[in-house]
Amino acid sequence: DIQMTQSPSSLSASMGDRVTITCRASQNIGIYLNWYHHKPGKAPNLLIFAASSLQSGVSSRFTGSGSGTDFTLTITSLQPEDFATYYCQQTHTTPYTFGQGTKLEI
Amino acid sequence: QLQLLESGPGLVKPSETLSLTCTVSGDSFSNDNYYWAWIRQPPGKGLEWIGSINYSGSPYYNPSLKSRLTISIDTSKNHFSLSLNSVTAADTAVYYCASQRRISIFGLLIVPAFDYWGQGTLVPV
Repeated sequence: DIQMTQSPSSLSASMGDRVTITCRASQNIGIYLNWYHHKPGKAPNLLIFAASSLQSGVSSRFTGSGSGTDFTLTITSLQPEDFATYYCQQTHTTPYTFGQGTKLEI
Repeated sequence: QLQLLESGPGLVKPSETLSLTCTVSGDSFSNDNYYWAWIRQPPGKGLEWIGSINYSGSPYYNPSLKSRLTISIDTSKNHFSLSLNSVTAADTAVYYCASQRRISIFGLLIVPAFDYWGQGTLVPV
């Protein structure tokens, strides 16, 4: 299985800050990388697909980049609704696998 | 816009079979660009892809669960189902269903992504 490793595991930030989360794949996955936002008790929400494409309806404050094995998610001007857990996911090879999550806290 | 809703028993006993159904609302159920997926999240842990199925009924599974797993689809009822047998406490999780869109990138690649999810249902074992 392809292992996905996110860093950091948790992150404290303030409203209006800019933060970056990284995701590393254990092998080359091209751009088969998606990012999700998840709040407890809610459905996860697709933010970015194919490493850098913004899902329809998602704020442009979210930016994804990278290819191969190293990827980043950047969030600018943090808003209250952004404080959640973020997951990366590879869909290059089955079984599709997720990172362990990055919890973004105020 | 798609809406997905999981349903099933709230509690399963060890060694029994966990069965869940996901009902899909929206006009993409028969769309060739979609598969239909199950994902789970054990308490305090991350997300695990369980398996997916297309409208034609061709499933593919996570090898770690394959020996115990069946995913099926009922196109007449716009729903797909999960059956996991011989469950143990390790199968306790929030189970999500999701739409797995096959996204064409510049006409060269098809990148799967889970674009709509159900709210999830906690199944204790």
